[in-house]
Amino acid sequence: KQEVTQIPAALSVPEGENLVLNCSFTDSAIYNLQWFRQDPGKGLTSLLLIQSSQREQTSGRLNASLDKSSGRSTLYIAASQPGDSATYLCAVNSYGQNFVFGPGTRLSVLP
Amino acid sequence: DAGVIQSPRHEVTEMGQEVTLRCKPISGHDYLFWYRQTMMRGLELLIYFNNNVPIDDSGMPEDRFSAKMPNASFSTLKIQPSEPRDSAVYFCASSGDREVGYEQYFGPGTRLTVT
Repeated sequence: KQEVTQIPAALSVPEGENLVLNCSFTDSAIYNLQWFRQDPGKGLTSLLLIQSSQREQTSGRLNASLDKSSGRSTLYIAASQPGDSATYLCAVNSYGQNFVFGPGTRLSVLP
Repeated sequence: DAGVIQSPRHEVTEMGQEVTLRCKPISGHDYLFWYRQTMMRGLELLIYFNNNVPIDDSGMPEDRFSAKMPNASFSTLKIQPSEPRDSAVYFCASSGDREVGYEQYFGPGTRLTVT
């Protein structure tokens, strides 16, 4: 059974800092991995989707990498801003459409 | 497209009452998912449909929960009878097929409180 963990559980950084969020999964036979952002009391917003055949995806200040063999993905946020404050979740698609979510990393970017 | 639409946004009900949550997926998406989010358990997949057919309902907690998708633009999640432990935020999500990598898009959620 796929298990997904995220480290750290919470992170507080000053504005402008570059940061890395980590996602680990136990079963490397995945189809894809998706990173989401969730603001308090809101739904999930898709940030990046990485297919199993890809190593990384980029969108603006965000860069996500995938290493299937080691069961890891990282989300890199460059030049963080207070508006980046949210909870970031990764979701792993292991068998067809059965997504398993990590517990999330709560990010606070201080002005 | 308006995105995934869910209703109601908030529902407060008494224990034992029937609750029906509704979802309209993004037009053209083949897959529809129902999730539940709580502080204790995080985000859990309850059931998903492909082309209106339930594929995996192993996450449905018990027989009190049921889900239907009568057509490509509408799905319901019903809880009967409701219990306080069902209090959570329920999300609906939809995705396209292999060609678009099955990327999921979430609705705003329904916050359910059972007293």
